[in-house]
Amino acid sequence: AQSVTQLDSQVPVFEEAPVELRCNYSSSVSVYLFWYVQYPNQGLQLLLKYLSGSTLVKGINGFEAEFNKSQTSFHLRKPSVHISDTAEYFCAARWGSSYKLIFGSGTRLLVRP
Amino acid sequence: EAGVTQFPSHSVIEKGQTVTLRCDPISGHDNLYWYRRVMGKEIKFLLHFVKESKQDESGMPNNRFLAERTGGTYSTLKVQPAELEDSGVYFCASSPTIGSLNTNYGYTFGSGTRLTVV
Repeated sequence: AQSVTQLDSQVPVFEEAPVELRCNYSSSVSVYLFWYVQYPNQGLQLLLKYLSGSTLVKGINGFEAEFNKSQTSFHLRKPSVHISDTAEYFCAARWGSSYKLIFGSGTRLLVRP
Repeated sequence: EAGVTQFPSHSVIEKGQTVTLRCDPISGHDNLYWYRRVMGKEIKFLLHFVKESKQDESGMPNNRFLAERTGGTYSTLKVQPAELEDSGVYFCASSPTIGSLNTNYGYTFGSGTRLTVV
């Protein structure tokens, strides 16, 4: 079965430091990848997506992710985080013509001053 | 454009009671989805509507859950009778049809309904 794995349940980091949130998925065949963010008491907001083309995808709020087909990874990065980036981040994927999104278990990013 | 609207935002009910969650998708989106996140676990797919038809309901946990989408517009998810393990956040999302000019292969999610069964 298709799956998405986020190994880090929580990532603490100091303000202005770089951060990488890891995401691995089960198969690179016809995969579409997404990162969503959930701020406290809010819904899921799309950060960025990979559909095809350039493997480096830039999203909102200075985030970017790189599609690595051979390592089946789609890690999320930001060179310098802010307190306001404190939230939970979800990696998700869908395959081929399926409409179903498969989510990872989420990573809580905690940015400290 | 208006986003996906869900209500109520929170609901606290007693075990055995009935609760109905509502989702209003983005106008013109044929696809509507329900997802659920039980405490501390991943967000899981429940079902998918295309207009008023259930395309995939493989994620519905049991027959206590009933989803409808009247006239292909808004959708309701009824839990009857509610059990303690039904507590969690229920998300609704919508998307245009894949292959349509406006599709981004992604979904727009609502803010969710936090359901607590006591």
